[in-house]
Amino acid sequence: QQKVQQSPESLSVPEGGMASLNCTSSDRNFQYFWWYRQHSGEGPKALMSIFSDGDKKEGRFTAHLNKASLHVSLHIRDSQPSDSALYFCAVGMSNYNVLYFGSGTKLTVEP
Amino acid sequence: EAAVTQSPRNKVTVTGGNVTLSCRQTNSHNYMYWYRQDTGHGLRLIHYSYGAGNLQIGDVPDGYKATRTTQEDFFLLLELASPSQTSLYFCASSRTGNSGNTLYFGEGSRLIVV
Repeated sequence: QQKVQQSPESLSVPEGGMASLNCTSSDRNFQYFWWYRQHSGEGPKALMSIFSDGDKKEGRFTAHLNKASLHVSLHIRDSQPSDSALYFCAVGMSNYNVLYFGSGTKLTVEP
Repeated sequence: EAAVTQSPRNKVTVTGGNVTLSCRQTNSHNYMYWYRQDTGHGLRLIHYSYGAGNLQIGDVPDGYKATRTTQEDFFLLLELASPSQTSLYFCASSRTGNSGNTLYFGEGSRLIVV
C-alpha cells in the first residue's frame, strides 16, 4: 500500500500560469513533507520541505500543509517552460530514517 | 551542492546475469540509499545504509543485495537478474537519517534485463 498519493498524474498549464499539485499521506505519523523535481534525464532534486501547518514560500513556489487532512499542495506561480518536469511528493515518518515517495505529477508548461 | 556519482549509466544484461551498480558520494554523508523508479510507482526504496558495513532493508528488497564498503561507496548487486528488475536506479545520500535532511540523488543507472 502506497503511503503517498499524488494528483493529478499529469498537468498542463500555459506559460505564466499557476500550477497546483496535490499530495496526501495515508500515515498520520509523518514528520516532514518534501517536494522534489526531476527534469528528464536527471536525478530528482529537492525543492522544499514543510512540517508546520500553513504556507511556506520560496520564490515562485508555495507549499501549503494541512496536518489534520494529511494533505500538502504545491503551487507554482508564473510557470516557466523550465518548470516542465516530474514532481514528486515525499513523506518522512517520525520513526523511520527514510522518505516515501509518491508516483509523481508530470507538469508541462506550454510556451 | 552534494555530489553523488553512479556507474554505469546504462547497462543491458541477460536474464540470470550478474549486475553491480556503483555509487560514490564525496560529501561525508552518513546515509546512502538505493531507489528504483518505475512509471506509476514513483521511487521505491530498495536498501539503505547509515555507515560502512551497515545495511538496512527497504520496501522492495527481493532480488537485491547491497554492500556499503566505505562511507563513500554503496553498491547494489543483482545476482540473478530478472526482466522485472528492468528499471531506472537512483542512489542518494543525506547527512543524517532525519527526514528533515535533504536527499541528494545521482544521475541514475538505467538497467535493461532481456
